[in-house]
Amino acid sequence: GENVEQHPSTLSVQEGDSAVIKCTYSDSASNYFPWYKQELGKRPQLIIDIRSNVGEKKDQRIAVTLNKTAKHFSLHITETQPEDSAVYFCAAATSGTYKYIFGTGTRLKVLA
Amino acid sequence: EAQVTQNPRYLITVTGKKLTVTCSQNMNHEYMSWYRQDPGLGLRQIYYSMNVEVTDKGDVPEGYKVSRKEKRNFPLILESPSPNQTSLYFCASSFRGAAGANVLTFGAGSRLTVL
Repeated sequence: GENVEQHPSTLSVQEGDSAVIKCTYSDSASNYFPWYKQELGKRPQLIIDIRSNVGEKKDQRIAVTLNKTAKHFSLHITETQPEDSAVYFCAAATSGTYKYIFGTGTRLKVLA
Repeated sequence: EAQVTQNPRYLITVTGKKLTVTCSQNMNHEYMSWYRQDPGLGLRQIYYSMNVEVTDKGDVPEGYKVSRKEKRNFPLILESPSPNQTSLYFCASSFRGAAGANVLTFGAGSRLTVL
């Protein structure tokens, strides 16, 4: 069946450095790719999303890139801060079925 | 305040005792779905609904039932819970936009333990 692979599973960076999380999806019909941040004990919340007709999207320190040919999309966080420490999930969704498939998550630790 | 409300937030039950986790949203969203979150496995979709009386299976539907009789409510039913259904459950909803799939708004989660 369809799946989304997410790497790495854990990532530690020094404060101020950049962090990159990568996802690969299998369903070529996927056309919506959101990223969610989940702080400890909290619900997942959207931080950025991209649709298949766009290759890159930025929002302040956060950016997402999409390579449809390779079925890859990545989250880039620049100038990381301690409050960026959380678990990040990528997801791929298909408009026709509205079926969302999530990656297994990346635990990001930003070391002060 | 726009929100997705789940109840109960915490529940400990025993094998075989039927239970229902309620989910309600006040945003007039067409789409609602249930996920379970387990360590190392991320969020896995159990069931989803694109509108009233329309439901479909996600990746892990075994042992669960849902219904969508009203637009705002999407209860998750465990007819005969088993220990492997011990998990953290999230309900989520979104608009069905013209552009397709949309941002999910999640409830606060329901932690279920089946003994």
